[in-house]
Amino acid sequence: ETGVTQSPTHLIKTRGQQVTLRCSSQSGHNTVSWYQQALGQGPQFIFQYYREEENGRGNFPPRFSGLQFPNYSSELNVNALELDDSALYLCASSQIGHGDIGYTFGSGTRLTVV
Amino acid sequence: QKEVEQNSGPLSVPEGAIASLNCTYSDRVSQSFFWYRQYSGKSPELIMSIYSNGDKEDGRFTAQLNKASQYVSLLIRDSQPSDSATYLCAVKPSGMRFGAGTRLTVKP
Repeated sequence: ETGVTQSPTHLIKTRGQQVTLRCSSQSGHNTVSWYQQALGQGPQFIFQYYREEENGRGNFPPRFSGLQFPNYSSELNVNALELDDSALYLCASSQIGHGDIGYTFGSGTRLTVV
Repeated sequence: QKEVEQNSGPLSVPEGAIASLNCTYSDRVSQSFFWYRQYSGKSPELIMSIYSNGDKEDGRFTAQLNKASQYVSLLIRDSQPSDSATYLCAVKPSGMRFGAGTRLTVKP
């Protein structure tokens, strides 16, 4: 059984650019969530996807968008990058419909905006 | 008011002692509650989940939930230096919401 994998592990972008982060869910999981974690802070909920539809969103602007694919993998897109977007981006997968089992996290993508 | 509040610490306990971590949440419709541990530079890992009022024990860990008081706690018995990490409380109304975490240091 594979875990949650994220790519790339590290990324440096310039302010104003766009970035796409990728996530492969754990085998058997149908739900994926994305989180932003700034240094010294807890993960902040960006949004969640279930069956390719967004079914929950945190307090993030529309320039943060996502996709979930039929194989349950996912992308996080961030447009018009700002310096404050520098953070660790975590993907987590879970299984809705088989009890509430909590989320399994990937190792994250460290994004630096300069 | 933050959705999930934790004492940021740091909390320091001697090896073998009981570490007590606390969390309050604001959304009364929350039904699922979790404790995650995060080592420095690593991603969070699930250590406990609790859904009903009362206590739930798993090895050295005990989670306590009081929905009337909107309060969740985690007790770590016989604390070990390897327990030194940041402990994140999470609640799930829709999507999992995390507190800022409490940094625990267990001193040998």
